[in-house]
Amino acid sequence: TQLLEQSPQFLSIQEGENLTVYCNSSSVFSSLQWYRQEPGEGPVLLVTVVTGGEVKKLKRLTFQFGDARKDSSLHITAAQPGDTGLYLCAGVQPSGSRLTFGEGTQLTVNP
Amino acid sequence: KAGVTQTPRYLIKTRGQQVTLSCSPISGHRSVSWYQQTPGQGLQFLFEYFSETQRNKGNFPGRFSGRQFSNSRSEMNVSTLELGDSALYLCASSLSPSGNGGELFFGEGSRLTVL
Repeated sequence: TQLLEQSPQFLSIQEGENLTVYCNSSSVFSSLQWYRQEPGEGPVLLVTVVTGGEVKKLKRLTFQFGDARKDSSLHITAAQPGDTGLYLCAGVQPSGSRLTFGEGTQLTVNP
Repeated sequence: KAGVTQTPRYLIKTRGQQVTLSCSPISGHRSVSWYQQTPGQGLQFLFEYFSETQRNKGNFPGRFSGRQFSNSRSEMNVSTLELGDSALYLCASSLSPSGNGGELFFGEGSRLTVL
């Protein structure tokens, strides 16, 4: 059983559509990060959220950390082909000693 | 500044062989983490080193091992290769241990194919 469950696992949409990706857990996290990985490259950090209820915006991307710090979501407005990639959430538990990754959501935005 | 460098980028081995992968972290970073990435499995944690000490180890068999040198460069070794070891192996460096919640900087990975 994965500590962090991401959904959906795969998502294929048309350019201009909106989408939301979810990262859920039954455990509390001290902080949660979102990474994007493009083909042939390693993941790159998009954002870190640390406070329950926190909302962060990065251009067309909106990240939210759940009030109980057990879940997070990533919303993309007016998706573009350049948003295509694998989106990974990763978290650190209060008692944990390392970062744990979810399985990822593979997003394809078609022109 | 230079990013995380992993070598080799691609390699092909046969079952039973062993392989060593290398990772040079960003200058000044003392923490190096290794992950195995396969389709549908996300990033599976292998181990993490900080200042030459292994801090954490994932649920992989003893065939997987690693070490970190005094200059923070790290190597991982897989012995007696199996077909299922075919994967992208990613290395990530950070200033402090990953449990501190800081940003991980990833290399481009070493893609291993076992025939």
